[in-house]
Amino acid sequence: KAGVTQTPRYLIKTRGQQVTLSCSPISGHRSVSWYQQTPGQGLQFLFEYFSETQRNKGNFPGRFSGRQFSNSRSEMNVSTLELGDSALYLCASSGPGTNSYEQYFGPGTRLTVT
Amino acid sequence: AQSVTQPDIHITVSEGASLELRCNYSYGATPYLFWYVQSPGQGLQLLLKYFSGDTLVQGIKGFEAEFKRSQSSFNLRKPSVHWSDAAEYFCAVGSNYQLIWGAGTKLIIKP
Repeated sequence: KAGVTQTPRYLIKTRGQQVTLSCSPISGHRSVSWYQQTPGQGLQFLFEYFSETQRNKGNFPGRFSGRQFSNSRSEMNVSTLELGDSALYLCASSGPGTNSYEQYFGPGTRLTVT
Repeated sequence: AQSVTQPDIHITVSEGASLELRCNYSYGATPYLFWYVQSPGQGLQLLLKYFSGDTLVQGIKGFEAEFKRSQSSFNLRKPSVHWSDAAEYFCAVGSNYQLIWGAGTKLIIKP
């Protein structure tokens, strides 16, 4: 079974631009979570989706948004990028037969904002 | 609020020596606990998990962890480390549809 895939793997953007990151969960998984990882703040929860509904959102500004499609694929969008948004963005999925907290991670998207 | 503490930022051990990484959590009910490992430039790989039952859980790569409710701890152990175990290790607790993470412990292996 294929793992969680994230595209693109690397991205360089300029301050003020917007960016969209994509995540395809493990086949059959309906929950997708997003995390931001930085050296200073560690791993921080962005949001979680299940069957196209956001069930929880972390403490991030409204510039960060996400959505989930009917095939469980998910996207996150960051508008008006700031230098501090440079981070590794990790997507995780969980699904039937696993505890919903048992999350399987993709390789991440490394975003650099200049 | 729930929280996870990993008191050691770095740990250095010799190859072949035993390892224990500490994790303490703050959570009101029976927690869902996890250990993940992250190699440089990689995503997170699930090592093991605790939901209920036997307090000693076995994971992949020869790791085990013990849940101690009285100490609010979930320490990760390995009897003999290999150079390939060098990585960063994260403890997490599941709550309200998210994982709450510790700051991580970087494991350095001395040859």
